[in-house]
Amino acid sequence: AQKITQTQPGMFVQEKEAVTLDCTYDTSDQSYGLFWYKQPSSGEMIFLIYQGSYDEQNATEGRYSLNFQKARKSANLVISASQLGDSAMYFCAMREGRFGGGTASKLTFGTGTRLQVTL
Amino acid sequence: DADVTQTPRNRITKTGKRIMLECSQTKGHDRMYWYRQDPGLGLRLIYYSFDVKDINKGEISDGYSVSRQAQAKFSLSLESAIPNQTALYFCATSDYGLAGGPIRGMETQYFGPGTRLLVL
Repeated sequence: AQKITQTQPGMFVQEKEAVTLDCTYDTSDQSYGLFWYKQPSSGEMIFLIYQGSYDEQNATEGRYSLNFQKARKSANLVISASQLGDSAMYFCAMREGRFGGGTASKLTFGTGTRLQVTL
Repeated sequence: DADVTQTPRNRITKTGKRIMLECSQTKGHDRMYWYRQDPGLGLRLIYYSFDVKDINKGEISDGYSVSRQAQAKFSLSLESAIPNQTALYFCATSDYGLAGGPIRGMETQYFGPGTRLLVL
């Protein structure tokens, strides 16, 4: 079974609107971390936001927020007030296991969602 | 200057050739990683290293080898390149997390700009 599932291959959103990118995950570990990365057309991977499994509040970083629903095993990325520069691929990733442990550094990535922001 | 650099940024090679992709970082991180990205498959881990003496295989290590020459340098080699190794390759680094409980924001992986490799 896939550990990270992003069911939306592509999304469109109008400028200034909010958009939610879906991510569900599968793990039996109690300690894990969830990440979102942005990949613009230039190719680099840009870290956006992190949510730890023990974090009680949803993570926020500027216009990015993470809607973390632990019981549903979902970690959706919300981008508020979309901008043309937000057009990119977005990847959800998970780090499993005891924090700081040997295997805990490995990230498993989803297949990504391509977001296109329109005027 | 970028914290994580990769050279070359683009490379075209022929089947059977040996090539090396290099990664350098100035973040002072202990842990370094090599990933490849194929369309529709996301990123997959090739090798990772927790320090100079510790190198581990990832999920797709066949056909690749690595060398951790120093804390700041981690090289990926394709001993005999084949066309299905055509991909975008990323190096990443992360800091060593403290044992015992998660710390917000720690162990985030930071990526280099990527190397586009085409094997003909």
